[in-house]
Amino acid sequence: QSALTQPPSASGSPGQSVTISCTGTSSDVGGYNYVSWYQQLSGKAPKLLIYEVTKRPSGVPDRFSGSKSGNTASLTVSGLQADDEADYYCTSYAGSDKVVFGDGTKVTV
Amino acid sequence: EVQLVQSGGGMVQPGGSLRLSCAASGFTFAPFNKYWMTWVRRAPGKGLEWVASIKHDGTAQFYVASVKGRFTISRDNPKNSLYLEMNSLRADDTAVYYCAVMRAWPNSFDPWGQGTLVTVSS
Repeated sequence: QSALTQPPSASGSPGQSVTISCTGTSSDVGGYNYVSWYQQLSGKAPKLLIYEVTKRPSGVPDRFSGSKSGNTASLTVSGLQADDEADYYCTSYAGSDKVVFGDGTKVTV
Repeated sequence: EVQLVQSGGGMVQPGGSLRLSCAASGFTFAPFNKYWMTWVRRAPGKGLEWVASIKHDGTAQFYVASVKGRFTISRDNPKNSLYLEMNSLRADDTAVYYCAVMRAWPNSFDPWGQGTLVTVSS
């Protein structure tokens, strides 16, 4: 199972928005509404930001939002802050009892 | 607040074995034995990779193809603990390994343990 495709990097100035794409196929992203997004700060464990494409866990700011169109999911971070600088990963159920992660995107603020 | 504390890990020679543990606490909404659990790893310079997941009652286990037959995920519900037995270790198994709670299969991972480093090297 190949990793989902994410851009290696993205950047924005404080206060701006950045959108990260996560492209798969009809067998994973396009076929299921089990897309999640994670933030991994340097040296830390990943943290869940978005689950089931658009849902935010309690405690995650509404600056983080998720969406999906066809085989591509997206994470938008609005009102960028310095502490948003991190690696971001998408995941999707890929059928046949497998989960696949994206390559990861390094966001620079 | 759910907390996951990992132990085990370290350096091992190629072909060797290692066991990782993950102790869970702080479950209030539902007990540990109601949740699926997962192991995820991140190799040096690479991204996250799902490794294995286990059903809340231990009756089903799923693995990424590269570890199937070499790794075994298990759990001890009375002890609120998750394990990953790793055999026939290879250099490309070198990574930081994280345990995580799953909302359900095949849903998201939250929260995560602190991670433990496994180094396979001669």
